[in-house]
Amino acid sequence: DAGITQSPRHKVTETGTPVTLRCHQTENHRYMYWYRQDPGHGLRLIHYSYGVKDTDKGEVSDGYSVSRSKTEDFLLTLESATSSQTSVYFCAISEPEVVPGISPGYFGPGTRLTVT
Amino acid sequence: ELKVEQNPLFLSMQEGKNYTIYCNYSTTSDRLYWYRQDPGKSLESLFVLLSNGAVKQEGRLMASLDTKARLSTLHITAAVHDLSATYFCAVDIDGGGADGLTFGKGTHLIIQP
Repeated sequence: DAGITQSPRHKVTETGTPVTLRCHQTENHRYMYWYRQDPGHGLRLIHYSYGVKDTDKGEVSDGYSVSRSKTEDFLLTLESATSSQTSVYFCAISEPEVVPGISPGYFGPGTRLTVT
Repeated sequence: ELKVEQNPLFLSMQEGKNYTIYCNYSTTSDRLYWYRQDPGKSLESLFVLLSNGAVKQEGRLMASLDTKARLSTLHITAAVHDLSATYFCAVDIDGGGADGLTFGKGTHLIIQP
């Protein structure tokens, strides 16, 4: 299994509080991603990073910010959590050039966030 | 805006039967991915399809890609209970493999004895 961990794995928080989710990789992959998964929507890209301090927005970036100060860590912050951000959050990593036969990316175990 | 549509979204079938899941996408792309997700678990990569006409097989699953029709299929042969899961197709947002993926909504597959 690829070396991706997410912390915390479960979190319950109240509306209006800040929350930070952490993704840590040991694969030295350049690209890292944050997705959220909601019933009926599949996975949707929140933000991604193509290197240290280089990040960009995805499809559903409103209300989220990210930071990447080291290759191995990618943080997702909800500045002021809302109930609509209750979701399962997945981190993923990849290299930009896919070699045939090799998975394009690996997903972390996920973080289940509940905002009450 | 890239759109990825899977059909069906829910499928209940009997063991031993064959069936196909369809994945249509709205932009030119020669790179498509299939993933499997078990309940409460992460996503597991099944197939990477890199060019028009690509076909890949693993056990009872076979995936194909027709870039001209913007269509990929995941075919299940002689289904067994262990294949029960949710299957997602995904397409590169920018075609280059770097800017993330757009996923279909997933096909929830139940295989009954």
